[in-house]
Amino acid sequence: QKEVEQNSGPLSVPEGAIASLNCTYSDRVSQSFFWYRQYSGKSPELIMSIYSNGDKEDGRFTAQLNKASQYVSLLIRDSQPSDSATYLCAVTLIWGKLQFGAGTQVVVTP
Amino acid sequence: SAVISQKPSRDICQRGTSLTIQCQVDSQVTMMFWYRQQPGQSLTLIATANQGSEATYESGFVIDKFPISRPNLTFSTLTVSNMSPEDSSIYLCSVANRLNVGTFGSGTRLTVV
Repeated sequence: QKEVEQNSGPLSVPEGAIASLNCTYSDRVSQSFFWYRQYSGKSPELIMSIYSNGDKEDGRFTAQLNKASQYVSLLIRDSQPSDSATYLCAVTLIWGKLQFGAGTQVVVTP
Repeated sequence: SAVISQKPSRDICQRGTSLTIQCQVDSQVTMMFWYRQQPGQSLTLIATANQGSEATYESGFVIDKFPISRPNLTFSTLTVSNMSPEDSSIYLCSVANRLNVGTFGSGTRLTVV
């Protein structure tokens, strides 16, 4: 079983709609949770971090964490073509050491 | 957050040779890490670069293949030794300190022919 699991996609989202990305993790002692955006040929860019249960909002992005269910999600509201990228979920057991999921490709269609 | 510079940004190397990648941070950081991203794959942690001591390698990675140096709190190098085409990947440096984690450099795209 992979330690961090994501649907690979592609997730096709109409422009202006909400993109919903999901991530599950296997280790209950995971402490910190991150969402990265990676454009093709570029390095990952941190867009959200979340450390406690509940929702965290930053602009058009909302991260949701449920430690009991070992589940973290990312919502992208008002999706734009520039949001088309691969979104990587990452968790840490030890501060700084990231375990990544395989990533979900998001395609925003005009 | 810290600004990370990596050199070279890309290289094409002959099999059997070695390449050293540099990672320079604009401020002192507690922790530095090296990751690999193989084509079409996600990121995998290679090792933690420890300042003044030997790096700590993850399962599947060994010092002879990926020697790492970290002479101070702002600089680290990763060498990919005796390269084969399977080493063709993007290599990324990442840093963390007490307040921030997971900032990446721009990466080094390595192609081994």
